[in-house]
Amino acid sequence: EVQLVQSGAEVKKPGESLKISCKGSGYTFSSYWIGWVRQMPGKGLEWMGIIYPGDSDTRYSPSIQGQVTISADQSISTAYLQWSSLKASDTAMYYCARLATDYPTRHMWYYFDYWGQGTLVTVSS
Amino acid sequence: QSALTQPASVSGSPGQSITISCTGTSSDVGSYNLVSWYQQHPGKAPKLMICEGSKRPSGVSNRFSGSKSGNTASLTISGLQAEDEADYYCSSYAGTTTPLVFGTGTKVTVL
Repeated sequence: EVQLVQSGAEVKKPGESLKISCKGSGYTFSSYWIGWVRQMPGKGLEWMGIIYPGDSDTRYSPSIQGQVTISADQSISTAYLQWSSLKASDTAMYYCARLATDYPTRHMWYYFDYWGQGTLVTVSS
Repeated sequence: QSALTQPASVSGSPGQSITISCTGTSSDVGSYNLVSWYQQHPGKAPKLMICEGSKRPSGVSNRFSGSKSGNTASLTISGLQAEDEADYYCSSYAGTTTPLVFGTGTKVTVL
């Protein structure tokens, strides 16, 4: 059974750093793109970026580029989303999700077939 | 890349059919058959309902169907049930610079 399990809720102050995680199981983690999706309170879904754990090829949404860092450690089947200096506007639910991918071409089908349970990040002074 | 446009809300009575539209441009919805639809219940993670425009993943009820005409994709829910009350989001491939774009979301209410 494919599962994506995310780290727990976080409460941080502006200016602090944070790294949240997403651990995959039930499939070959290195062979599927993983994406991060933001949902601000009461708002819609926003794609942030994707990473191919096999070689750490990463693509960012232009609106997110430079604000976060996406990484992965295929040895422990885990992807990460990281901030170096949080802002109040980073308060949101963050989901990781697996992107449907062909193997071995790594061609993306541009839809998320499995989702993590979400990590709520609250940034407040 | 702007979000795809969806109606804010759609409602229907049990047993009825409803259709949610998702309007993009010739750079996204209109150029590719790569529209997907997600259902999100309150406090839950999204769930894939339709991929590649009209394909239903295993386990998704055949009451859900997807289609496209020009720059507008649609999700139809037939035989509406109370459990279908949720938010629905479309998504499309939008090119190499911004590969993915989501819709604005639609709240479905079962009267």
